[in-house]
Amino acid sequence: NAGVMQNPRHLVRRRGQEARLRCSPMKGHSHVYWYRQLPEEGLKFMVYLQKENIIDESGMPKERFSAEFPKEGPSILRIQQVVRGDSAAYFCASSSRVPELNTEAFFGQGTRLTVV
Amino acid sequence: TQLLEQSPQFLSIQEGENLTVYCNSSSVFSSLQWYRQEPGEGPVLLVTVVTGGEVKKLKRLTFQFGDARKDSSLHITAAQPGDTGLYLCAGARGDAGGTSYGKLTFGQGTILTVHP
Repeated sequence: NAGVMQNPRHLVRRRGQEARLRCSPMKGHSHVYWYRQLPEEGLKFMVYLQKENIIDESGMPKERFSAEFPKEGPSILRIQQVVRGDSAAYFCASSSRVPELNTEAFFGQGTRLTVV
Repeated sequence: TQLLEQSPQFLSIQEGENLTVYCNSSSVFSSLQWYRQEPGEGPVLLVTVVTGGEVKKLKRLTFQFGDARKDSSLHITAAQPGDTGLYLCAGARGDAGGTSYGKLTFGQGTILTVHP
């Protein structure tokens, strides 16, 4: 299965700890997007990355959250000093961008973060 | 801020009935995608509509994109219990450099329950 791979599927952290969420895009995809789904809410865009570049981080909270997509390895969404309000499902999506064609985003299974 | 209003939020019907889910916005989208999400899983892409007025069929599901590309609908004929799930619409806008369909604005979803 060459789909978007996220790990871990479930992550429990105590308040104040750091959470690291990983995402490996589909083979051939060079664009990664992170979304957050809070309980009882829809998915909200957080950040759009290409290899070694943050293209759009307009949905990222200003503090404690960061994301990267290095030249080698998966994309990482990092949350420092987690608080209970960070508990949510975090989804990664990837796409291949060919300007002349319609591209589609494919989602991973998500990481369920629980802050206790 | 672009918004996608999805309705109804909840839909409970009997097997064999027809239903329509609506997705409306005041903004124009380059494309609109419909996803289905099962509990504990990521959204799975059902269809992408791109052209105003476009209609796509997927077995018993019919998707339509409004002429002005501001709204869309999903119609299910003869619903079955297996159709139960969360249905999400999501709109994408082109950026200055071309088209990028990964940054999506999601509706809040329709929770469909089909009773046998």
